[in-house]
Amino acid sequence: DVKVTQSSRYLVKRTGEKVFLECVQDMDHENMFWYRQDPGLGLRLIYFSYDVKMKEKGDIPEGYSVSREKKERFSLILESASTNQTSMYLCASSSSGGWGNEQFFGPGTRLTVL
Amino acid sequence: TQLLEQSPQFLSIQEGENLTVYCNSSSVFSSLQWYRQEPGEGPVLLVTVVTGGEVKKLKRLTFQFGDARKDSSLHITAAQPGDTGLYLCAGVTSGTYKYIFGTGTRLKVLA
Repeated sequence: DVKVTQSSRYLVKRTGEKVFLECVQDMDHENMFWYRQDPGLGLRLIYFSYDVKMKEKGDIPEGYSVSREKKERFSLILESASTNQTSMYLCASSSSGGWGNEQFFGPGTRLTVL
Repeated sequence: TQLLEQSPQFLSIQEGENLTVYCNSSSVFSSLQWYRQEPGEGPVLLVTVVTGGEVKKLKRLTFQFGDARKDSSLHITAAQPGDTGLYLCAGVTSGTYKYIFGTGTRLKVLA
């Protein structure tokens, strides 16, 4: 059974803290993505990676960074958390070799920044 | 910035009714996907359409890609409570890995 796992389902942090969200996939996928999901806004892409150590900015990268040291793991980092980063964060992966391949999503991390 | 607008945003219907959800853009996509997301879970792919005018059926769900590949619709026949969830369309432009997600339609089917 293919799987994308995220390190936490719920997380509460204080303003200014450094926050790490971890994502691991077991499908040997080349592409990995981080989205945030807010009501009425759908999913917005923060960063994606198409290979180890490769990354590209999505639509809303400000205040975030990412790390991909191993193919199966993609980390999202909030350098200094702010209240407007309170959201649901979703990680996804997909194989390469064609546009629009299926994305497999993790269950999400609901982050609250106080 | 590419946008995908979905309508309606919310829909509450009785079991057995039919419904249609729309996904519209001014941009052309090489393919378009529909996902369903249930509470506490990530989205799960329902279908991918790649050819203008294409129609795909998945049991009681019918998906159509517009001729110009700018829009899509999802029609559910005889809705059931198990269809309840958030429906998301996502478009992909050739030459990019980026998926543009729609704003979502939250469907509730009452027994």
